[in-house]
Amino acid sequence: EAGVVQSPRYKIIEKKQPVAFWCNPISGHNTLYWYRQNLGQGPELLIRYENEEAVDDSQLPKDRFSAERLKGVDSTLKIQPAELGDSAVYLCASSLDLGSYNSPLHFGNGTRLTVT
Amino acid sequence: RKEVEQDPGPFNVPEGATVAFNCTYSNSASQSFFWYRQDCRKEPKLLMSVYSSGNEDGRFTAQLNRASQYISLLIRDSKLSDSATYLCVVNINQAGTALIFGKGTTLSVSS
Repeated sequence: EAGVVQSPRYKIIEKKQPVAFWCNPISGHNTLYWYRQNLGQGPELLIRYENEEAVDDSQLPKDRFSAERLKGVDSTLKIQPAELGDSAVYLCASSLDLGSYNSPLHFGNGTRLTVT
Repeated sequence: RKEVEQDPGPFNVPEGATVAFNCTYSNSASQSFFWYRQDCRKEPKLLMSVYSSGNEDGRFTAQLNRASQYISLLIRDSKLSDSATYLCVVNINQAGTALIFGKGTTLSVSS
């Protein structure tokens, strides 16, 4: 089974520039998550999709962050404009459903963003 | 009180030692519980689920105490390869506000 695929692996940008991250979940996984992980912290949820619908985006800073999941498969997370505090690892995960015992999260290897 | 709290450590133990981590959660309606393992600069990976009756997987034992709202992870006969950060994860409710992660507990096993 192919895992969750993310790209790019690393991204360095200057502040105020835009940046986008891409995620391809495991085939058949309806639920897709974007998490942000700062150094020394656990992952924090940004947005969760059920198929193509964003069902929990309460933690997404909507003034600069946007996300989409067209056709309920791949997803893109965008930041515009980026700020220094956005430097973090952005993790995409997918699961069959809502992270129940029968459906744990599978993570991609993340995109490490550095804003200078 | 934070939703999921862990002692960040680090826990420094010799090979062969037994070590235990605890994690407390604030929402009594939490439905499911997990331990994930994260190696340095890698993504988190599921280590084991935590069931009400407690469960064991080789050298790892997980327990849930709903009354006191904590879960634990016990590692017996520690190996060098167990060195990692262990993340406690709680699913807050059936409707699914998604999984909430603790900050993680760092374990370092030395020879």
